[in-house]
Formats: sequence, structure tokens, C-alpha cells
Amino acid sequence: EDQVTQSPEALRLQEGESSSLNCSYTVSGLRGLFWYRQDPGKGPEFLFTLYSAGEEKEKERLKATLTKKESFLHITAPKPEDSATYLCAVQALGDSNYQLIWGAGTKLIIKP
Amino acid sequence: GAVVSQHPSWVICKSGTSVKIECRSLDFQATTMFWYRQFPKQSLMLMATSNEGSKATYEQGVEKDKFLINHASLTLSTLTVTSAHPEDSSFYICSAKSSGHNEQFFGPGTRLTVL
Repeated sequence: EDQVTQSPEALRLQEGESSSLNCSYTVSGLRGLFWYRQDPGKGPEFLFTLYSAGEEKEKERLKATLTKKESFLHITAPKPEDSATYLCAVQALGDSNYQLIWGAGTKLIIKP
Repeated sequence: GAVVSQHPSWVICKSGTSVKIECRSLDFQATTMFWYRQFPKQSLMLMATSNEGSKATYEQGVEKDKFLINHASLTLSTLTVTSAHPEDSSFYICSAKSSGHNEQFFGPGTRLTVL
């Protein structure tokens, strides 16, 4: 069964304290792995798509990496405005509807 | 680019009435649109997938006669919650995807409260 597990459930950091969020997945053929950011009461905001092991993408203080079993979202020197829930999702090859299989998310809190 | 809007952003209705939520892709053609429901502190739950011009495909356990989905154009999909009851109160979010791209882009969501 295709599945996505994110850890930790919640992470509290001081401003400037770098860390990583984990997304482990099992899927019958990976089409793509996606990272989104969701603020309370809003829809998810697209961050990255990763397609193959070894791929990396960066945006400001965020860097996403991918292996054959997991993805990491590294956050460097975070600021309070980076506080949000970060969602990971995978898309399976052979799914003609391109549906996303979601993890439960990691709630990130950055204290000033 | 890749902007999706939803209307209304919140709605309060009486039990037994119907509510329509609109989802629009503003700067791209959405060949596929998705409707999700999200409960507090939980992840997204897919309700249905719709391809432009075709009938929506509903996930197991989602009543198609209660949640009517129409995707009549490449920029608009609607979700109508018929005969709403308090248990239908939730945060409804749509997303849209264009052909040739794998990413889904999300609307801001609609908060439905049924009294």
C-alpha cells in the first residue's frame, strides 16, 4: 500500500536554529514527491517537486532532497515567518488522475 | 503564475439548505481539479477528482448525491453541498492541475459552517 509518513509531528526551534523535517514514503513507482507549506486557515502553498533520487531543490532558507525511501526538508537559519505546517505528498506512476498521497504534516514553530 | 481562487472564503448556512463553492484557475487551464476536505489538525482528505467535461470520480465513502461536482470549463469547477447538515461543517479546499504538469495548485479554502 502506498504510504507517506512525516516526522516529527511538531518541531519547535529558536530563530536561527537550523533543522530538518523528514518524509518517508513507500509507493509502487514514484512519479514525483511534493512539498507544500500550509498556514492556518489557508490552502497549501506549493514549494517543491522532486522526481529522482539525488535531486535537490532550494528556495530561500529551504532545501529539499530526495532518496529512494525518503525526502528531507532542510531549513537553514529559520525566521518566525517560516512557522507553518509542512506537508509532503507523493504521486504514483500509473495513477492517471495524478492524485496525491499525503503525509500528516509537520507543524514547525519558530520562536523569536 | 498558477493562481487558484475559491469563493466564498467562508459561508454559514442553515441545516437543510444547499451551498455552492466555486473554484477557479486564474492564469492557467485546469484539465483536472480536485476537491478536498480538511478537519482541524488533520491532513487533507481527497473527496473527488474531476476532469474537464467528464463526470467526477468520487473517493470511497463520499456521497456523490450529496457533494455535487461540476467541471464544465477549463477554469471553473463547483462543489455543491446539498441538504447540508452540521456534520458537513468543515474546511473545503480545491486544487487544480494543468496537462503536462504534475503539480497541484491550491485555492485558499472555504470554511463551511452549518447551523
